[in-house]
Amino acid sequence: EDKVVQSPLSLVVHEGDTVTLNCSYEVTNFRSLLWYKQEKKAPTFLFMLTSSGIEKKSGRLSSILDKKELFSILNITATQTGDSAIYLCAGTPEKGAGSYQLTFGKGTKLSVIP
Amino acid sequence: DTAVSQTPKYLVTQMGNDKSIKCEQNLGHDTMYWYKQDSKKFLKIMFSYNNKELIINETVPNRFSPKSPDKAHLNLHINSLELGDSAVYFCASSQGRRDLNEQFFGPGTRLTVL
Repeated sequence: EDKVVQSPLSLVVHEGDTVTLNCSYEVTNFRSLLWYKQEKKAPTFLFMLTSSGIEKKSGRLSSILDKKELFSILNITATQTGDSAIYLCAGTPEKGAGSYQLTFGKGTKLSVIP
Repeated sequence: DTAVSQTPKYLVTQMGNDKSIKCEQNLGHDTMYWYKQDSKKFLKIMFSYNNKELIINETVPNRFSPKSPDKAHLNLHINSLELGDSAVYFCASSQGRRDLNEQFFGPGTRLTVL
């Protein structure tokens, strides 16, 4: 059974801090890894990573995938209170009907305090 | 302008009732999904439809029946509701092509069974 494990499960930091969220995966015929941010409602898409070692960046957020060690990290620099959310990581396989399926981790709850 | 919409947003009902949740997407995607998010915020896939055809059916009680009248709609009907069905149900859609696994989520339906 495919599995995605995120750590830490929760994190409290002060504004301005830099955080690193971890995601390890065991996905049969792995294709890509996605990061989502969930505030009060639906998850919103952040990054999709398919290739190892290529950093994706969006403002203060960046993410990278290591397909050899089967993990990804999400970095947030100069955190702001608006970054407080649950960050979800999901893996998806390559072939067949399963290629439509995301397996989600349990998420990391980030709280940024002023 | 809403990409993925769900109705209702909140649903409070008694045990034993039958209820439906509707989902519509206007993104032109050909794959749609239902997820259940439990009280611990763990997102788990329930069903996936591609071009109105069921392609993923996880271990879900057969009281849950998805219906896809066309590829823009995927409704979820739940019979004989139980307390454990209380959760937030998210609909999502994706373009279904192998290189586009990004899923767009609806706002969620919070179901409370009393």
